[in-house]
Order: sequence, then structure tokens, then C-alpha cells
Amino acid sequence: GESVGLHLPTLSVQEGDNSIINCAYSNSASDYFIWYKQESGKGPQFIIDIRSNMDKRQGQRVTVLLNKTVKHLSLQIAATQPGDSAVYFCAENQGDYKLSFGAGTTVTVRA
Amino acid sequence: DAGVIQSPRHEVTEMGQEVTLRCKPISGHNSLFWYRQTMMRGLELLIYFNNNVPIDDSGMPEDRFSAKMPNASFSTLKIQPSEPRDSAVYFCASSLRGSGFTYNEQFFGPGTRLTVL
Repeated sequence: GESVGLHLPTLSVQEGDNSIINCAYSNSASDYFIWYKQESGKGPQFIIDIRSNMDKRQGQRVTVLLNKTVKHLSLQIAATQPGDSAVYFCAENQGDYKLSFGAGTTVTVRA
Repeated sequence: DAGVIQSPRHEVTEMGQEVTLRCKPISGHNSLFWYRQTMMRGLELLIYFNNNVPIDDSGMPEDRFSAKMPNASFSTLKIQPSEPRDSAVYFCASSLRGSGFTYNEQFFGPGTRLTVL
């Protein structure tokens, strides 16, 4: 039978619009944060990172914002494309090698 | 670059059987990670190797799970005996850990989807 699991947050966005994906992290001592993208049938892929001494970092079509006061991280994708459909995870670095991953947000791009 | 290679991509087995998952990290990387992904628990770190030595195995669920890294280019994750609750996608990731860095990007393999009946 079908297993019952968590329902991940979902975001449906029109192609060409901007997407904003939010993430709350748990450890105020975390000093490094990463966004990963996971397409169906593939492993997570690094998108962008940010250190705790920054509040904003931009990449190609993506921007990460960090609000340490409320322990909140967001990923903004500009001009969302069909290839952006995936599950997006935020991860916080908890010392050296250890990453703690969020539950993930499923993004679906409507044509 | 071939990236991290995992085999098999899919494994279906019966409860009680031994399962061995394999990983070839990116050449030159000195850190290797095994993760498990389920809908209920998300991505969990099982074990971390640095320079072929297990550094942190606190995420290994129980004694039925074991991992080895006999050399820099190969690692295995073994489950014996397997149980239905072990059904998940298992990922291997590797990174190059350098001195003075607090974090190094982890590159994930495509995963092995394990189904235990």
C-alpha cells in the first residue's frame, strides 16, 4: 500500500514570475547556510550559500537572504523557468562537516 | 568529471536479506558521507569518513547498518538483515576538506532507491 508521509510545503508559480522559498533554521550558532535543489530521481545539487556575517548574496537568477534575528532564510528565484521545478532544501552547517537539512519545498512551475 | 557514482540505482530485496550499497567518490575528495532520505524524516546523515577513517557514525540507526571505506575511491554501506523500514533512498556525497575551512561543498551522487519487501 501507499505509505503516509509528511506533506512538504509546495509552491506553484507561473513561468516567468519570481519565486520565494522560505526556511526557518533551528541553531542560532550555525554560521553557514546552503540551498540545495533536488530534481526527481537525482541527488541534491548545490545552488548558493551564505555565511552568517552576510545578510544577502546573489548568484545567477538566485538570491539568498538571511535574517539571523528571526533565524530565517529565503531563496529568491528570478524569472522562474520550467527547469526550476524541483524540491528545494535549506541546510545549516552545524560545525565542520555536519549539515542539518530542512524538510524541503516542492516548487512546480506552470507553463 | 563523472561525479559521485553509486550502484545499484535501484535495489529490491526481501526482509532478512543482506544489502550492499556502493559508492565511488569524486577523485581527489577526502571526505565521504552516507545519507538516507525518507518522506517521514527527510535527509539524515548516517556516517562521515575523512581520509577513509569513520569520524562520526552517530547517525547509523542500529547495528544492522555498517559502512566501510577500504580506500579513497570506494565505500560500501551494508544492511544485514534488512527490514521493510529500511526502505529509502540512500545517497553518498563527497567533498574536499581543506585546512582552515569550516565547511566544504558536498557533491551528491544520484542515490540508490532501496525497497525491502
